[in-house]
Amino acid sequence: QVQLQESGPGLVKPSETLSLICTVSGGSISSYYWTWIRQPPGKGLEWIGYIYSSGSTNYNPSLKSRVTISVDTSKKQFSLKLASVTAADTAVYHCARSKGTSNYYGDWGQGTLVTVSS
Amino acid sequence: IQMTQSPSTLSASVGDRVTITCRAGQSISSWLAWYQQKPGKAPKLLIYDASNLESGVPSRFSGSGSGTEFTLTISSLQPDDFSTYCCQQYFSYPWTFGQGTKVEF
Repeated sequence: QVQLQESGPGLVKPSETLSLICTVSGGSISSYYWTWIRQPPGKGLEWIGYIYSSGSTNYNPSLKSRVTISVDTSKKQFSLKLASVTAADTAVYHCARSKGTSNYYGDWGQGTLVTVSS
Repeated sequence: IQMTQSPSTLSASVGDRVTITCRAGQSISSWLAWYQQKPGKAPKLLIYDASNLESGVPSRFSGSGSGTEFTLTISSLQPDDFSTYCCQQYFSYPWTFGQGTKVEF
């Protein structure tokens, strides 16, 4: 059974870069879409983007200019960097794995709250 | 594509039949998934491709619909089902989610 665990700072200052890592255990990192999804307080889920195991990426246009998702297959980790954050980026950030090569998500991390505040 | 769920909150009792609706801003064929969310926990996939039950999910959950209107039905609500449910379209990028429906006692 695959497990995903997010890690990273819980507090980021405005204008700085949010950096999170998702560590994958109990499963392969090949042939899946490794995805970041966030949920601002009191709001719905927002798809941030994914990296396929081959390294190809796809980002939400609303965040594309600020987002970088990368993968380290040797460490079985993938990461999220979101630049120039503001209070609107405060959210619970989830990492998720696609169900095979489909576009829905069968495995998720429990999420980590990132607050943007000075 | 905007996804709109109704109702936002639903009051129900154990044993009730519960229906949640998800409407897409344009046709998404059957490219829709349903998830269950509990506070502090990972979302759980319930239904994919609008009507396919994910392995291990109780058969009291079912999904239907195509095009722009979809429903998630819980045939007999159980105590563990009091939760928030949301839909996701994966017809066109960026994938988008409904705002969620909270099922409460």
